[in-house]
Amino acid sequence: KQEVTQIPAALSVPEGENLVLNCSFTDSAIYNLQWFRQDPGKGLTSLLLIQSSQREQTSGRLNASLDKSSGRSTLYIAASQPGDSATYLCAVEESEKLVFGKGTKLTVNP
Amino acid sequence: EAQVTQNPRYLITVTGKKLTVTCSQNMNHEYMSWYRQDPGLGLRQIYYSMNVEVTDKGDVPEGYKVSRKEKRNFPLILESPSPNQTSLYFCASSLSGQFYEQYFGPGTRLTVT
Repeated sequence: KQEVTQIPAALSVPEGENLVLNCSFTDSAIYNLQWFRQDPGKGLTSLLLIQSSQREQTSGRLNASLDKSSGRSTLYIAASQPGDSATYLCAVEESEKLVFGKGTKLTVNP
Repeated sequence: EAQVTQNPRYLITVTGKKLTVTCSQNMNHEYMSWYRQDPGLGLRQIYYSMNVEVTDKGDVPEGYKVSRKEKRNFPLILESPSPNQTSLYFCASSLSGQFYEQYFGPGTRLTVT
């Protein structure tokens, strides 16, 4: 059974710092990996999608990498801002469903 | 605007009173699914649909029903809600069941007393 783990569960950083969020998964037979952002009481916003054949994707200050063989992905956020404060969720797609990690709650302090 | 909508956004009900949470997407997506989110358990899939008239169980289908009569709509039905179904529910859609980005609705917070 696929398990997705996100470390750390919470992270607090000062504004301007570069940071890395980690995601690991137990079964490498995935179709893709998706990173989401969730604000309190809100829905999920898709940030980046990495297909299983890809190694990384970039969008603005965000860069996500995927190492399928080792079951790891990282989300790199450059020059963090208070508006980046949210919970970040990693999810792998397998067999018509997404399997989610429990998320990393990020706080960026002004 | 491309989006997934859910209604209602908030609902408080009593045990045993049937309810329906609607989900609609305007992106002509074939694939739709329902998830519930609970503290400490994360998001778990309830049901999914690959296309019209095709539905299948996810990881936690007990106590729920779905239907897919039209491509754009995928309602979630709780025929006899119980307190353990108190949760935050999300509907999602994508172009196809695999390889494509999934888009989520804003969520429905359900409380069953």
